[in-house]
Amino acid sequence: KAGVTQTPRYLIKTRGQQVTLSCSPISGHRSVSWYQQTPGQGLQFLFEYFSETQRNKGNFPGRFSGRQFSNSRSEMNVSTLELGDSALYLCASSLNRGVYNEQFFGPGTRLTVL
Amino acid sequence: AQSVTQPDIHITVSEGASLELRCNYSYGATPYLFWYVQSPGQGLQLLLKYFSGDTLVQGIKGFEAEFKRSQSSFNLRKPSVHWSDAAEYFCAVGQGTSYDKVIFGPGTSLSVIP
Repeated sequence: KAGVTQTPRYLIKTRGQQVTLSCSPISGHRSVSWYQQTPGQGLQFLFEYFSETQRNKGNFPGRFSGRQFSNSRSEMNVSTLELGDSALYLCASSLNRGVYNEQFFGPGTRLTVL
Repeated sequence: AQSVTQPDIHITVSEGASLELRCNYSYGATPYLFWYVQSPGQGLQLLLKYFSGDTLVQGIKGFEAEFKRSQSSFNLRKPSVHWSDAAEYFCAVGQGTSYDKVIFGPGTSLSVIP
């Protein structure tokens, strides 16, 4: 069974631009969550999607958004990029919602904002 | 506010030696507890979790952890470390059943001397 895949793996953007990251969950998994990982703030929850609906959102500005498609694939978008958005963005999928369902993480997308 | 501390930023052990990584949390009720490992260039992998019951939890790769309510701790242990265990280890604490309620610790970087 293929794991969680994220594309692209690396991305370089400049301030003010926007970016879209993609996540393909494990087949059959319906919940997709996104996390931001930085040296200063650590791992922080961005949002969770289930059945094409955002179910939870972390404490991030509205520049961070996402969506989920009918095949459970998900994208996250960051508009008007800032230097502080440089981070590793991790996607995780699980069979269903909630901590009783183990999350499986992808390798991440490394975003650098110049 | 809920918090998770991992007092050791970096630990170095010799291959074959025992390992203990510390994790402390502040939360009034019994939380959901997790340990994850992140190898370079990889996403997180769940090592073990505690929800209730036996306070000594067995995980993958020979790891175990013990929940001590009186000390608000959930320390990770391994009796004999292998070179492939070199990675970043994250303790995580959940105060609810959804992943947006899970707070990650800052991580402990483990180096293994051959």
